[in-house]
Amino acid sequence: DVKVTQSSRYLVKRTGEKVFLECVQDMDHENMFWYRQDPGLGLRLIYFSYDVKMKEKGDIPEGYSVSREKKERFSLILESASTNQTSMYLCASTGITDTQYFGPGTRLTVL
Amino acid sequence: AQRVTQPEKLLSVFKGAPVELKCNYSYSGSPELFWYVQYSRQRLQLLLRHISRESIKGFTADLNKGETSFHLKKPFAQEEDSAMYYCALARDRNKLVFGAGTILRVKS
Repeated sequence: DVKVTQSSRYLVKRTGEKVFLECVQDMDHENMFWYRQDPGLGLRLIYFSYDVKMKEKGDIPEGYSVSREKKERFSLILESASTNQTSMYLCASTGITDTQYFGPGTRLTVL
Repeated sequence: AQRVTQPEKLLSVFKGAPVELKCNYSYSGSPELFWYVQYSRQRLQLLLRHISRESIKGFTADLNKGETSFHLKKPFAQEEDSAMYYCALARDRNKLVFGAGTILRVKS
C-alpha cells in the first residue's frame, strides 16, 4: 500500500516567515508533486519533480520553491509567507503507473 | 491550452436517484481522463480512469470526444457517495490538470 505522508496537518505562520512543508513517500516513486487546493479553483500544480534534484515549475510557482535531495522526500518552501498563500497543500507521487497517490494535506494559515 | 471544466460546484440528489457529474475538457491531443474523489476527512484518491473502462462503486464515465466530455454517472446514488469529485486531464510526465471540483451531496 502506497503511503504518502506530510509533516503537518495544520500549520499557522506569520507573514514574512519562511515555511517548510515536507512530503515523504515510501514506494520508490520517481515523480512527486505539490498542489494547492482552494475552493472553487480545484487543485493547482505548484511544482513537480521527476527525479532527485530535478524539478519543474507547475502552473503557479510564484512565491514557492522546492527541494528534492532524496528520492522519497519532496519539500515545498515558502520563502516569505504571505496571506494569499493560506491554503490546503497536497503532495502526491506516481511511479510506473500514472495514478497519483496523495498525502493527507497540510492546512496552512498565514496571519 | 489544456483545461478542465466542472460547471457545478454542488450537486444535491436524493438517495436512489441517478447522478451525473459533468466534466468538459479542452485538449489538442488524445486525452487521458480521470475522476478523483475525496470523502470527508480522507485523502484524495483515484476513482476511475477512462482507459480502463471499468465501473468502480457503481460509477462509470464515458469519454465523448465529439462533445469533449467525460461525465461521471451512477444510476442509483447512495449516501456514502457524498464527497468532492474532481475531473482531471493528463499532461506530459504524469502531470494532471484538475477541474474546480463538484461536491455531491446525497440526501436521505
